[in-house]
Amino acid sequence: EIVLTQSPGTLSLSPGERATLSCRASQTVSFNYLAWYQHKPGQAPRLLIYGVSSRATGIADRFSGSGSGTDFTLTISRLEPEDFAVYHCQQYATSPRTFGQGTKVEIK
Amino acid sequence: EVQLMQSGAEVKNPGESLTISCKGSGYSFSNYWIAWVRQMPGKGLEWMGIIYPEDSDTRYSPSFQGQVTISAETSIRTVYLQWNSLQASDSAIYYCAKTLERGRLNDAFDLWGQGTMITVSS
Repeated sequence: EIVLTQSPGTLSLSPGERATLSCRASQTVSFNYLAWYQHKPGQAPRLLIYGVSSRATGIADRFSGSGSGTDFTLTISRLEPEDFAVYHCQQYATSPRTFGQGTKVEIK
Repeated sequence: EVQLMQSGAEVKNPGESLTISCKGSGYSFSNYWIAWVRQMPGKGLEWMGIIYPEDSDTRYSPSFQGQVTISAETSIRTVYLQWNSLQASDSAIYYCAKTLERGRLNDAFDLWGQGTMITVSS
């Protein structure tokens, strides 16, 4: 099984700042089958990025994904108040699908 | 509106059986894989398994194989997650989620249900 390790565990930033979230895989994620989700308390997760760098429908262009192989990054260029949440990466190349443990982006 | 609507919260005793549901609407239900994902209190997301409603082709995570059963009833556009004997460690929020592209098994999840909270306690 592919283990995904996200860092940092918590990111304390102010609105307007840039957020850089990391997701490292224990082995190569084939075909760039790597997604990012935003998850707020009491809500369903929301797909932000799939295929490493493709934005899902309706997702603002301040969200971008990059990386390849085993190292992936989600960047939020300028944090808006509604962006403070937990972010999960997920690989869907192999079974079982696996998620990272999440990075919490909190208001500083 | 495209949505997945899950059944409501449940409080059960250890050893009891339970089935929760996930009803799809606004899209071609039979032709998109639907997964179940667990979130234990204070923990991350865990993929449990996935089903293709059209033919009920089902794949399980090894961690959940034999512990739960995933099934589908296309006539009412509903997928189920079933336990025969609940344990306290099954207490969690359970989400259903559909794949992004029609027919694709290896895919991200673009639509999620609102979650079903299950509490197992004596």
